[in-house]
Amino acid sequence: EVQLVESGGGLVQPGGSLRLSCAASGFTVSSNYMSWVRQAPGQGLEWVSVIYSGGSTYYADSVKGRFTISRHNSENMVFLQMDSLRAEDTAVYYCARGGPWARGSLYFVHWGQGTQVTVSS
Amino acid sequence: QSVLTQPPSVSAAPGQKVTISCSGSSANIGNNYVAWYQHLPGTAPKLLIYDNDKRPSAIPDRFSGSKSGTSATLGITGLQTGDEADYYCGTWDSSLSGGVFGGGTKLTVL
Repeated sequence: EVQLVESGGGLVQPGGSLRLSCAASGFTVSSNYMSWVRQAPGQGLEWVSVIYSGGSTYYADSVKGRFTISRHNSENMVFLQMDSLRAEDTAVYYCARGGPWARGSLYFVHWGQGTQVTVSS
Repeated sequence: QSVLTQPPSVSAAPGQKVTISCSGSSANIGNNYVAWYQHLPGTAPKLLIYDNDKRPSAIPDRFSGSKSGTSATLGITGLQTGDEADYYCGTWDSSLSGGVFGGGTKLTVL
């Protein structure tokens, strides 16, 4: 059974940092693309970042230069390092497993339950 | 302002059919595949449709997807009260080099 469990969320002051973790089981993170998706209070889903099996990474303009996605193959985990946090980064952050890679195809088969990040002084 | 445009809300009676539209551009829907998700507050989103019109094995055939040009549509037949949720379309945007979602559509089953 595929499971994704996020951790690392919490309350942080503006300008601070957090590192989110996503522990995967039932598949290997290096064989699929993995993404982070967030949902701010009262808002819709917002794609944040993706890491492909080959290691390529992409980011939403809203987080580019501040967030870094990575993975640890032997631990079967994916991470999101979040620096220079802003109030508008407050959201529930979901880790998601992508489908098989295909050009022009980006979809998420499995999702974690999410971890809350609150940026406030 | 989302890159993909969805109606904020739709409604229909139990047993009826509803469609949810998702409008984009050649940079996203026009040249890439569309996925649809169901999201209930406090839960993980669920994949309903991928690659425009394919259903994961666990998703009933009451859910269907289609795409034409720069627009996509999610159809739900035989509406049930349990279908009340927020629905999102998503795809890759070649100009942004990133994923994009629609703003979401709240489905009410009257």
